[in-house]
Amino acid sequence: DVKVTQSSRYLVKRTGEKVFLECVQDMDHENMFWYRQDPGLGLRLIYFSYDVKMKEKGDIPEGYSVSREKKERFSLILESASTNQTSMYLCASSLRGINEKLFFGSGTQLSVL
Amino acid sequence: GDSVTQMEGPVTLSEEAFLTINCTYTATGYPSLFWYVQYPGEGLQLLLKATKADDKGSNKGFEATYRKETTSFHLEKGSVQVSDSAVYFCALRPTGTASKLTFGTGTRLQVTL
Repeated sequence: DVKVTQSSRYLVKRTGEKVFLECVQDMDHENMFWYRQDPGLGLRLIYFSYDVKMKEKGDIPEGYSVSREKKERFSLILESASTNQTSMYLCASSLRGINEKLFFGSGTQLSVL
Repeated sequence: GDSVTQMEGPVTLSEEAFLTINCTYTATGYPSLFWYVQYPGEGLQLLLKATKADDKGSNKGFEATYRKETTSFHLEKGSVQVSDSAVYFCALRPTGTASKLTFGTGTRLQVTL
């Protein structure tokens, strides 16, 4: 079975800190995604990547950046964390084809104080 | 832009009751439609999908039919179990895109004995 692993289940950071959220998948998937999940808002796409060193903005990229240096790893970076970035962050991966299902990690609950 | 609207939760049912979770969408062209499920403490996983009008997706006793005339993709199950307690997300993939999905806000289902 595909495994998508997120480095931390819970994370607490201070306002202004630089935060790295790491995601690793073990099934050679081309596509990788970062979503944030908030009550009443569902999942919103932050960034996605179709290939190594390739990235595209999703619906809410402001305040975030990403890095994909290796195929299996997709990092989300909060350059200067703010309290409104407190959220559940979900990483997902999929094969390249249309309608391929997304495989999700179990999420990182980030609290910015 | 494209969007998905789901009924508000939580939905509370007794075991063996009939389940309907409503989902409607707004999109141009012919999107593909999906239901994902999130069990407590886990990431989302694909439950079923339909890629064209009148298609019926089914899995684990759940069904949903792609109705283009009413722009709907309602999730149904004839007899729910306690183990079905989870959050259910309706999602669409817009025409002409790859695996990038737009999600609804999610509906929490609680099934009691």
